[in-house]
Amino acid sequence: AQSVTQLDSQVPVFEEAPVELRCNYSSSVSVYLFWYVQYPNQGLQLLLKYLSGSTLVKGINGFEAEFNKSQTSFHLRKPSVHISDTAEYFCAAAIQGAQKLVFGQGTRLTINP
Amino acid sequence: IAGITQAPTSQILAAGRRMTLRCTQDMRHNAMYWYRQDLGLGLRLIHYSNTAGTTGKGEVPDGYSVSRANTDDFPLTLASAVPSQTSVYFCASSEGRIGDTQYFGPGTRLTVL
Repeated sequence: AQSVTQLDSQVPVFEEAPVELRCNYSSSVSVYLFWYVQYPNQGLQLLLKYLSGSTLVKGINGFEAEFNKSQTSFHLRKPSVHISDTAEYFCAAAIQGAQKLVFGQGTRLTINP
Repeated sequence: IAGITQAPTSQILAAGRRMTLRCTQDMRHNAMYWYRQDLGLGLRLIHYSNTAGTTGKGEVPDGYSVSRANTDDFPLTLASAVPSQTSVYFCASSEGRIGDTQYFGPGTRLTVL
């Protein structure tokens, strides 16, 4: 069974509009949760991560995510997107008791002018 | 600081040939990882190493081998390449504790014909 599920493979939005990228995780993974971004033809870089504490996590480039234990979700949001946010976004979780990560399938965010 | 370097950037390989993908990090990280990225499947862990001298199998290890003779280098070998190994390969490293950020290289695009 998939441990981390990203519900949308593609999300098109207009510039300056808000966006939410959805991520759900299963009980087979820990609650160490991550969002990574991959710009075209590049490797992945960390946007933000949740380890413990406040359920609202702020990351780079104006992104934030909210850990919701009851919904087993870790959705990524940005109130106003820019053309430069065009990229693929990956949700990931640490495997129980290990530093290995399991990734979701990815969501391609396309920003239209 | 280079971070993680991977070589080659891209390669076209005949089926049945042996190929080694190189990965070097200069951050003195304990842990290193190899992933493959395929459309619609996200990133899947091939092999990992928690520290120099040790390696472990990930989610999709068949057809691949790794070694970790020192802290900095973590080569991935395809002993006899098959077309299903056509993919983009990413090397990553982390300090090795649960919840640590993984830092990714730029990737190697491999095509097996």
